[in-house]
Amino acid sequence: GAVVSQHPSWVICKSGTSVKIECRSLDFQATTMFWYRQFPKQSLMLMATSNEGSKATYEQGVEKDKFLINHASLTLSTLTVTSAHPEDSSFYICSARDGSGTYEQYFGPGTRLTVT
Amino acid sequence: AQSVSQHNHHVILSEAASLELGCNYSYGGTVNLFWYVQYPGQHLQLLLKYFSGDPLVKGIKGFEAEFIKSKFSFNLRKPSVQWSDTAEYFCAVSIGGNKLVFGAGTILRVKS
Repeated sequence: GAVVSQHPSWVICKSGTSVKIECRSLDFQATTMFWYRQFPKQSLMLMATSNEGSKATYEQGVEKDKFLINHASLTLSTLTVTSAHPEDSSFYICSARDGSGTYEQYFGPGTRLTVT
Repeated sequence: AQSVSQHNHHVILSEAASLELGCNYSYGGTVNLFWYVQYPGQHLQLLLKYFSGDPLVKGIKGFEAEFIKSKFSFNLRKPSVQWSDTAEYFCAVSIGGNKLVFGAGTILRVKS
């Protein structure tokens, strides 16, 4: 149980275009989802927290107009990287937490974004 | 701001050696503590967690960790590592049940 999927697993896009990444909780309802970014040989940095049906809360330094997050249902959150630039190339990981109060997060496999 | 420090970025051990990975955090209040593992090419998986109670917690695959509140530490241990333990290990702290703050990670390589 507690499986989180991400789609796509990798994507290459041209500079200036937008890319949407999906995060799904497959066997539980995720009241809260988190989006992280991981640079090579570095740790995961939280970008934003999203609660179903409300606006995402972004971490300091993360541009909310560039990284659009939508959590429209209890099983799906999307991250859209708008007007992507090469410096946005990274590994994006989502996690989901159910409403049971255990505070445990279940992680997706990640999406490798390369902007050319 | 809260932070998590992992003392070693790279650790190389021979099979059957004992493992201890250090983790310290900076926050004076109540915390929830986690160790995650990321095997090559796979996603993060939870090894173990501490919320309250016995400060010595046991996780999967023979791992354990001890929460020492006075030292703000949550070190990960395994008495005898195997080649299959080669992975990257992340310590993480959750404050108030909200977001996780991760350490930089420790890459463990076990030589067979």
